[in-house]
Amino acid sequence: SQQGEEDPQALSIQEGENATMNCSYKTSINNLQWYRQNSGRGLVHLILIRSNEREKHSGRLRVTLDTSKKSSSLLITASRAADTASYFCATDAWSGGGADGLTFGKGTHLIIQP
Amino acid sequence: ETGVTQSPTHLIKTRGQQVTLRCSSQSGHNTVSWYQQALGQGPQFIFQYYREEENGRGNFPPRFSGLQFPNYSSELNVNALELDDSALYLCASSPGTGRGSYEQYFGPGTRLTVT
Repeated sequence: SQQGEEDPQALSIQEGENATMNCSYKTSINNLQWYRQNSGRGLVHLILIRSNEREKHSGRLRVTLDTSKKSSSLLITASRAADTASYFCATDAWSGGGADGLTFGKGTHLIIQP
Repeated sequence: ETGVTQSPTHLIKTRGQQVTLRCSSQSGHNTVSWYQQALGQGPQFIFQYYREEENGRGNFPPRFSGLQFPNYSSELNVNALELDDSALYLCASSPGTGRGSYEQYFGPGTRLTVT
């Protein structure tokens, strides 16, 4: 089952604009991670935010986490054509015992128009 | 590019056959996880190996099995292939503790088509 739900499913913007993607999840988490995937290949880790953090930055990326609303957002500033990809949020809800792995949403497909 | 490699890149099998996919972890990583990604969906957790033992399993039937070797490389075996097994299979390694899932380093995946 998929815990995270990204919104929107698809987003098309002009190069240089900012892109915002949202993620909602259902259960308590230890951390939330964002990944990028180009053309159905392997995923690349972008950023991890722990449940006790509210905001995190990495280069042009800004992630926020609101555990009371069970939601997160990913902001990409000053977008570039190379940012065209699918973006997934993934949650870790490990609570002891065996590993549960990451639970991914269906992703947001981002297209940057030159 | 991560240091995780997978083979083969593409594979076509017939329903009912068996398949073995391979993964070489990034150096120093003792935890390997396998994910299945159907077209248009996010990856789904199959299982995780930590220090050569299965450490956790998702909602997949027993015909999905795996191994982790002393060098931390791994195999995913699928028996009695079904059409719905057609997907991209992703291997991810991490320097884990067997508790929780932190930053995962994914390989490029193996595209399996079952006809």
